Amino acid sequence: QKEVEQNSGPLSVPEGAIASLNCTYSDRGSQSFFWYRQYSGKSPELIMFIYSNGDKEDGRFTAQLNKASQYVSLLIRDSQPSDSATYLCAVNLAGTYKYIFGTGTRLKVLA
Amino acid sequence: DAGITQSPRHKVTETGTPVTLRCHQTENHRYMYWYRQDPGHGLRLIHYSYGVKDTDKGEVSDGYSVSRSKTEDFLLTLESATSSQTSVYFCAISGGTTGRGGSTGELFFGEGSRLTVL
Repeated sequence: QKEVEQNSGPLSVPEGAIASLNCTYSDRGSQSFFWYRQYSGKSPELIMFIYSNGDKEDGRFTAQLNKASQYVSLLIRDSQPSDSATYLCAVNLAGTYKYIFGTGTRLKVLA
Repeated sequence: DAGITQSPRHKVTETGTPVTLRCHQTENHRYMYWYRQDPGHGLRLIHYSYGVKDTDKGEVSDGYSVSRSKTEDFLLTLESATSSQTSVYFCAISGGTTGRGGSTGELFFGEGSRLTVL
């Protein structure tokens, strides 16, 4: 059974700080990785995707991928109370059309 | 926003009754998915489709069946609902992996259908 692991949290950070969210995956052949944000009672929405090792930046968000360690992370700079949500890591399993998700990390940004 | 509509949005039913959830898309995307989301379990894949009449099982397919007779519609059926199927069900669509019409492979989600089985 392929797995995606995330710490459920909650992760609490003060406003303006950097929030660091982590995800590990078991399918060594996976090539596509995604971060979604989900507000309570809402559907997940895409924040970023990453395919290559290294960092990818988009505004206040940076995704980091290390395929050798099977590790994906999301950094949120200058965290705002509006960033308080559950962050889901998703992996497209190699050679399939399947996407599996971690259980999500709940982030609380304290004003 | 991706054009995905789920219906019904809320449903309460009794154990043993059949239930069908509908996902309708206007994006002409090839791939469609049904997930369920439960506290402590995150999103779990039930079934997915990679084309009309082409479907396959996900992680938690027992007790569920699907059908896709048209590109735009993907139906999830619970033949005989049980209390363990009380959940929020999300439909998602994808244009496929990188290189196919410019899609980056991400999933777009519908608003969800909350099902309660008494």
